[in-house]
Amino acid sequence: AQSVTQLDSQVPVFEEAPVELRCNYSSSVSVYLFWYVQYPNQGLQLLLKYLSGSTLVESINGFEAEFNKSQTSFHLRKPSVHISDTAEYFCAVSEHNQGGKLIFGQGTELSVKP
Amino acid sequence: GAVVSQHPSWVICKSGTSVKIECRSLDFQATTMFWYRQFPKQSLMLMATSNEGSKATYEQGVEKDKFLINHASLTLSTLTVTSAHPEDSSFYICSASTLGQGITDTQYFGPGTRLTVL
Repeated sequence: AQSVTQLDSQVPVFEEAPVELRCNYSSSVSVYLFWYVQYPNQGLQLLLKYLSGSTLVESINGFEAEFNKSQTSFHLRKPSVHISDTAEYFCAVSEHNQGGKLIFGQGTELSVKP
Repeated sequence: GAVVSQHPSWVICKSGTSVKIECRSLDFQATTMFWYRQFPKQSLMLMATSNEGSKATYEQGVEKDKFLINHASLTLSTLTVTSAHPEDSSFYICSASTLGQGITDTQYFGPGTRLTVL
């Protein structure tokens, strides 16, 4: 991928409100798409991924993301956030046949307030 | 499944010394491991790609003689920061990939190692 752009560096939201974290990428080839979450002073945890098939993918904790090829986007959504969702979220792209190399976006800090 | 560990979790060293960081895949064999560097409040920057049994491939701008990578087995890769200086202080994160083993192009990340060079 040429680049990955996360449009919002910080997203403050109240508990139980919906949230959308935006991610756009540019690439001339087919890609795999990922969202990772990073809690303070920890490594990254895979939240969800799109490899093929259905363009809507879901995580076990209520997040979902939809791959939109025409808009080259992979926005992350959750209908109702919890305090525990407070973390840094990274969108990442891997181009096919590139040995799994990931290109990360700049990250979005989600801050959920009571 | 798919757990990756790093050791140590944090290290403080004097300028000019070398530091070795280990990355292990605990419950799977990793054909490929990646090393990233993360500065505070910033994204991850890929430093190098490490394939078992072969030399690592470094990203542009990364000094291979300063950041020595060894991938001796399918479960272990090491990053040695040689002659460390304060500007090398950072959060170093490894990931392991099971390419070709049924989980296409998914990387599993270690918890990271915080290096502080005094």
